[in-house]
Amino acid sequence: KAGVTQTPRYLIKTRGQQVTLSCSPISGHRSVSWYQQTPGQGLQFLFEYFSETQRNKGNFPGRFSGRQFSNSRSEMNVSTLELGDSALYLCASSLAAYGTDTQYFGPGTRLTVL
Amino acid sequence: TQLLEQSPQFLSIQEGENLTVYCNSSSVFSSLQWYRQEPGEGPVLLVTVVTGGEVKKLKRLTFQFGDARKDSSLHITAAQPGDTGLYLCAGRLETSGSRLTFGEGTQLTVNP
Repeated sequence: KAGVTQTPRYLIKTRGQQVTLSCSPISGHRSVSWYQQTPGQGLQFLFEYFSETQRNKGNFPGRFSGRQFSNSRSEMNVSTLELGDSALYLCASSLAAYGTDTQYFGPGTRLTVL
Repeated sequence: TQLLEQSPQFLSIQEGENLTVYCNSSSVFSSLQWYRQEPGEGPVLLVTVVTGGEVKKLKRLTFQFGDARKDSSLHITAAQPGDTGLYLCAGRLETSGSRLTFGEGTQLTVNP
């Protein structure tokens, strides 16, 4: 079974631009979570989607948004990019939204904001 | 203040040595996971522990969940250069759904 895929793997943008990142979960998985990883803050939870609905949200500004499609694929969007948004953005999928089911991570999208 | 305090942050040892990484919190977790991450890649799950006092072994790695489900440890016996990587603990609070709270990570380097 194929793992979690994220596209693109690398992205360079300039301040003020917006960006859209994509995540395809493992087949059959309905929950997708997004995390931001930076050297200073580690992995921070952005949001989680299940059945096209946002079920949980972290403490990030409204510039960070996401959505999930009927095939469980998810996108996250960051508008008005800032230098501090440079990070590795990780997507994780799991079978269901709650419980002790395992989250499987994709390889991430490395975003650099210049 | 991090909800999950992981220590040490950096560890550089020689091949064959033993080591322990700690993950501590004042909060109770319904489950705790350990991941290993290579540079430029996503975290890969090593183990999930869900019961207080639970001990799991994965070859030379031993994972323990504290009795009160507030802390965990990862012990590696006879470390090898292939064990080099970033080790992350991540806990799931009972009220947070599938959201994971991560520790800061331990960067382990095993020198040949």
